[in-house]
Amino acid sequence: ETGVTQSPTHLIKTRGQQVTLRCSSQSGHNTVSWYQQALGQGPQFIFQYYREEENGRGNFPPRFSGLQFPNYSSELNVNALELDDSALYLCASSLRTEAFFGQGTRLTVV
Amino acid sequence: RKEVEQDPGPFNVPEGATVAFNCTYSNSASQSFFWYRQDCRKEPKLLMSVYSSGNEDGRFTAQLNRASQYISLLIRDSKLSDSATYLCVVPRGDSSYKLIFGSGTRLLVRP
Repeated sequence: ETGVTQSPTHLIKTRGQQVTLRCSSQSGHNTVSWYQQALGQGPQFIFQYYREEENGRGNFPPRFSGLQFPNYSSELNVNALELDDSALYLCASSLRTEAFFGQGTRLTVV
Repeated sequence: RKEVEQDPGPFNVPEGATVAFNCTYSNSASQSFFWYRQDCRKEPKLLMSVYSSGNEDGRFTAQLNRASQYISLLIRDSKLSDSATYLCVVPRGDSSYKLIFGSGTRLLVRP
């Protein structure tokens, strides 16, 4: 196991609602990245946090936001959910460039 | 052109076969490369890292051709348990360590 844990594992939300996903990084890893993986696609980079600061962002709208806490755990928040937000959301923690993923949160928006 | 491109497959091979996947990338400044394995409805797991011309780990060999900007993954003596999607991953090359994933190549190993 990678030591990266995400919660919840599955979630169903209604269009327009807000959701918060959580991630605990591997011990000693100060960098957390979030990815969205749609069915049949590779993961797409959402953003990265390094020592509680956003450190890079992919091509996602502002309704995707995040936080990193002093213990390096992280949250991903998505407001005004859309049907296309249905995907597997992956958190990855890293110390250098090798990233280790949690098991993901499968979000379904109906 | 996509930043990382892979043949989606699927590659359908018998047990014991040798199979190779190719991946091309657009950022010539990238210094490190990765292959991840992803089982159905699971998270990606790091299979191999490539920092120089190549890397070998048992039945798996990764090779890097910087001049042509492609990375290959060779699997020898395929096992049923090798059936998965193989993701080629290239860091964007700046300080954010943003990982760019290919769409993955699906491998099916049949008895």
